Amino acid sequence: EAQVTQNPRYLITVTGKKLTVTCSQNMNHEYMSWYRQDPGLGLRQIYYSMNVEVTDKGDVPEGYKVSRKEKRNFPLILESPSPNQTSLYFCASSLSGNEQPQHFGDGTRLSIL
Amino acid sequence: SQQGEEDPQALSIQEGENATMNCSYKTSINNLQWYRQNSGRGLVHLILIRSNEREKHSGRLRVTLDTSKKSSSLLITASRAADTASYFCATDGTGGFKTIFGAGTRLFVKA
Repeated sequence: EAQVTQNPRYLITVTGKKLTVTCSQNMNHEYMSWYRQDPGLGLRQIYYSMNVEVTDKGDVPEGYKVSRKEKRNFPLILESPSPNQTSLYFCASSLSGNEQPQHFGDGTRLSIL
Repeated sequence: SQQGEEDPQALSIQEGENATMNCSYKTSINNLQWYRQNSGRGLVHLILIRSNEREKHSGRLRVTLDTSKKSSSLLITASRAADTASYFCATDGTGGFKTIFGAGTRLFVKA
């Protein structure tokens, strides 16, 4: 089954404790992306990747890091999480870029205390 | 920056009625997409319309695009309770590979 898998689905943690949210897709997609969703703001893109070792900033990259060492994986790293990063996070992938439909994971709800 | 802005923010209709949602954007685009989200779940792609297209259909969905007005509309005909969800438009960012979503329209269809 074609899917985008995020882990964990839920996480409550404390300020400053590094965390990683994993994202994996099994569709051999080139384009992968991370979004955060906050009430009233829709989805805002954090980072995206056009292919292995190619990443670029979205609209809200501050406080986040990503890497794309393999085509299927695109982890999101919060090196020193802060309460304003409490949000619902989505990973998505598409065949070849933002001109193709994106497939979304089920989301990761992060709470930073 | 938010490229797409949906209107209305919320819409409540009776089952069987049509629902129309609008999206406006600020800069030129290559394509515009509509997505649906059920209650905090992942988004599901509905339809993609390219800048050289004016209208597209998929089942009960009809999307129009007016590039001169920088706007798009999503029409759901004969709505059902199961159509209750949030609907988002998304556009490609200018000159790059960003994806920019609007804030969404919450649709509630009463049975």
